[in-house]
Amino acid sequence: GAGVSQSPSNKVTEKGKDVELRCDPISGHTALYWYRQSLGQGLEFLIYFQGNSAPDKSGLPSDRFSAERTGGSVSTLTIQRTQQEDSAVYLCASSANRGGQPQHFGDGTRLSIL
Amino acid sequence: AQSVTQPDIHITVSEGASLELRCNYSYGATPYLFWYVQSPGQGLQLLLKYFSGDTLVQGIKGFEAEFKRSQSSFNLRKPSVHWSDAAEYFCAVGAAGGYQKVTFGIGTKLQVIP
Repeated sequence: GAGVSQSPSNKVTEKGKDVELRCDPISGHTALYWYRQSLGQGLEFLIYFQGNSAPDKSGLPSDRFSAERTGGSVSTLTIQRTQQEDSAVYLCASSANRGGQPQHFGDGTRLSIL
Repeated sequence: AQSVTQPDIHITVSEGASLELRCNYSYGATPYLFWYVQSPGQGLQLLLKYFSGDTLVQGIKGFEAEFKRSQSSFNLRKPSVHWSDAAEYFCAVGAAGGYQKVTFGIGTKLQVIP
């Protein structure tokens, strides 16, 4: 496929469990972003990867959140000891331009914490 | 810190009527400005962007936006709305130069009535 792919599309889990969300960016895109979309909150920036540079983690809301990007391609967002306030849609986006805005968004992972 | 305000959470317009969605930004230097659209069941799509130059920018689907530095605004317009334009619209601001941590507004939901 030509677009940004995210999996799973939906995830329901119990409070306290760990979850992993995956993002496959468009091939060749060096920039990758993670955002969180909560009802009435817009899109909240979480983390930004650009090539081999150190990621900008300034948007991660707590130390329960972490992300990595392997080989400059696939990224995984991990949330440990999930809380109910983590329930949201997690969006991944990629861009071909260094310094470019997020161009292509995935359909997101809808995370529900029971 | 950069921020975006979209004062209208929900707007209803008649098909064929003109549309203006408001966006005000806060940023200490020259901003990069964007509008994205999120149609039901679909991912976010970039409508248009302003980096520099002509303050009136044209986008896809017949949309345009005008950057007004004196008013810190970047309002989105369309002269004649189609039913397929019903969606949620997000204004966003990024930092000029270097990489961009793009900050989004909370969105305006557009309803189009016959």
